[in-house]
Amino acid sequence: AQSVTQPDIHITVSEGASLELRCNYSYGATPYLFWYVQSPGQGLQLLLKYFSGDTLVQGIKGFEAEFKRSQSSFNLRKPSVHWSDAAEYFCAVGAVTTDSWGKLQFGAGTQVVVTP
Amino acid sequence: DSGVTQTPKHLITATGQRVTLRCSPRSGDLSVYWYQQSLDQGLQFLIQYYNGEERAKGNILERFSAQQFPDLHSELNLSSLELGDSALYFCASSVGVGLSYEQYFGPGTRLTVT
Repeated sequence: AQSVTQPDIHITVSEGASLELRCNYSYGATPYLFWYVQSPGQGLQLLLKYFSGDTLVQGIKGFEAEFKRSQSSFNLRKPSVHWSDAAEYFCAVGAVTTDSWGKLQFGAGTQVVVTP
Repeated sequence: DSGVTQTPKHLITATGQRVTLRCSPRSGDLSVYWYQQSLDQGLQFLIQYYNGEERAKGNILERFSAQQFPDLHSELNLSSLELGDSALYFCASSVGVGLSYEQYFGPGTRLTVT
């Protein structure tokens, strides 16, 4: 069965420290991969996406993610966290088939808390 | 502000009732998506419409229905409401029909069923 796993429900990080959020997926074919961020009381905003090509993708707000096919992972990283990065982060995957054109499957999310 | 609007922001209703959630996509977007976010199920894709036609279906209950109108706004109808339907319902929109088109999310409608 297709699945998306975010192993860490909650992460606390100090401001200025690096951040890495994990995402593992199980899909029949190479999926489209996404990271979204949800700030309190807000909708989701796309941080970055991977379809093909260079396995290291750059996104907005200084985030990057690396696709590792051998590990079925798509981990999100940021070298130096700012207090405004406190939010919930969702990994999502999707397949391009005629019956699931826009269907995204989301992980459970990782809540990031940033301490001074 | 994503440009996607959803009304109402909050909705409180009783079990067994029916409600309608409304979504206006960004100008120029032809696809509309509906998602449900609950503590139990997380964030789940419900359904997608493209230019008035249903294009993809997810875990949408039979008690729920949606449609996209000629002016491209969409409505999600939830009937025979149960306590478990309490959730945040998001609408998203994109220019095209596939995943290569970024989905822009609205702020959501919080539904509370009592």
